Amino acid sequence: GAGVSQSPRYKVAKRGQDVALRCDPISGHVSLFWYQQALGQGPEFLTYFQNEAQLDKSGLPSDRFFAERPEGSVSTLKIQRTQQEDSAVYLCASSLERTGYNEQFFGPGTRLTVL
Amino acid sequence: GESVGLHLPTLSVQEGDNSIINCAYSNSASDYFIWYKQESGKGPQFIIDIRSNMDKRQGQRVTVLLNKTVKHLSLQIAATQPGDSAVYFCAENIQGYQKVTFGIGTKLQVIP
Repeated sequence: GAGVSQSPRYKVAKRGQDVALRCDPISGHVSLFWYQQALGQGPEFLTYFQNEAQLDKSGLPSDRFFAERPEGSVSTLKIQRTQQEDSAVYLCASSLERTGYNEQFFGPGTRLTVL
Repeated sequence: GESVGLHLPTLSVQEGDNSIINCAYSNSASDYFIWYKQESGKGPQFIIDIRSNMDKRQGQRVTVLLNKTVKHLSLQIAATQPGDSAVYFCAENIQGYQKVTFGIGTKLQVIP
């Protein structure tokens, strides 16, 4: 079956623009995660959804970052008034269950470049 | 394509040799550990995991060793192949919580 997909794969934005990044998780997966990966670094947790509920958003770096998953499937990460430090790869992952740790399946990421 | 391993520690091994990748984790409360492989332009891919009540776990060509005393994790890859070239990350988790914390990656280069 299809894995996690993300779009767009690449996004170039001018500083100050708003961007929206989309994640399509594996069908039926309850949990969805967003990570930010700077060049040469490991992924850093941003936020976590269980179905449509955002249970943890402790990793969002500022109030310019907003994530939603209104119907418990597709999720969108929105970044308002982008800054150069927002340049990174944004990874989405989904997992099947809601309890404990379950294998997270990652998408290919969206590379955001802010000029 | 983009490189996720631009500034990472690099391990170069000859094809067919064994590789050992090390990781120090930070949280003594972590009780579940995962190794991921990330190829250029792709998301991380699960390789193997281990719970804190174990000190060794084997998979196909891979072995993970856990030393809780010194908070150290290692990944051993037997008979390394060119397809093993990638960046490898260890990650830690606390049972009952979904959040995973990734460590600093290691870039593995396999020399044919």
